[in-house]
Amino acid sequence: AQSVAQPEDQVNVAEGNPLTVKCTYSVSGNPYLFWYVQYPNRGLQFLLKYITGDNLVKGSYGFEAEFNKSQTSFHLKKPSALVSDSALYFCAVRAYNAGNMLTFGGGTRLMVKP
Amino acid sequence: KAGVTQTPRYLIKTRGQQVTLSCSPISGHRSVSWYQQTPGQGLQFLFEYFSETQRNKGNFPGRFSGRQFSNSRSEMNVSTLELGDSALYLCASSVLGSTTSYEQYFGPGTRLTVT
Repeated sequence: AQSVAQPEDQVNVAEGNPLTVKCTYSVSGNPYLFWYVQYPNRGLQFLLKYITGDNLVKGSYGFEAEFNKSQTSFHLKKPSALVSDSALYFCAVRAYNAGNMLTFGGGTRLMVKP
Repeated sequence: KAGVTQTPRYLIKTRGQQVTLSCSPISGHRSVSWYQQTPGQGLQFLFEYFSETQRNKGNFPGRFSGRQFSNSRSEMNVSTLELGDSALYLCASSVLGSTTSYEQYFGPGTRLTVT
């Protein structure tokens, strides 16, 4: 069975500071990893994915994520946070043989203060 | 390209009734998945359809069912509604199937309230 853990329910950061949202996963075989963001009353918006290759993945809106196989982590990062980044962030994993079935973490609310 | 569309956006039903939700994927996408989002359980996978066939199913009771049409549009049905079925139901579409790494694109969801 696959699982995802997002250990922080909420992350607070000041605008302009770097941000990190943590994610660890458990899956059999090579993982497909994703980050999604959800704004109030909206669906999920794709940010970035890791499939294979370079451990540092760049995505939309200046976000990036670092894949660490030994620590089974896939932390989301951004060098300089914006107030408009405030939202709910979800990490998800998909096993290579699980069709399109995503397993999501519980979500982390990011609050960026001016 | 238009995104994933879901109808209706909001729905209020009474316990014991049944409901049908609709999802139109992005043009050219053949895989459609459904997820339930609740404050207590988070995001949970319901099922996935690809080329009109259910390929994966999550751990939900048989009251939850779905289907996919030849144009890739999908519907999900919940029979004998319970209060606990109140949730945001999200549909996601993807270009292809299990051996690809394509991401899924989500619709805005249908907010179902069961009273």
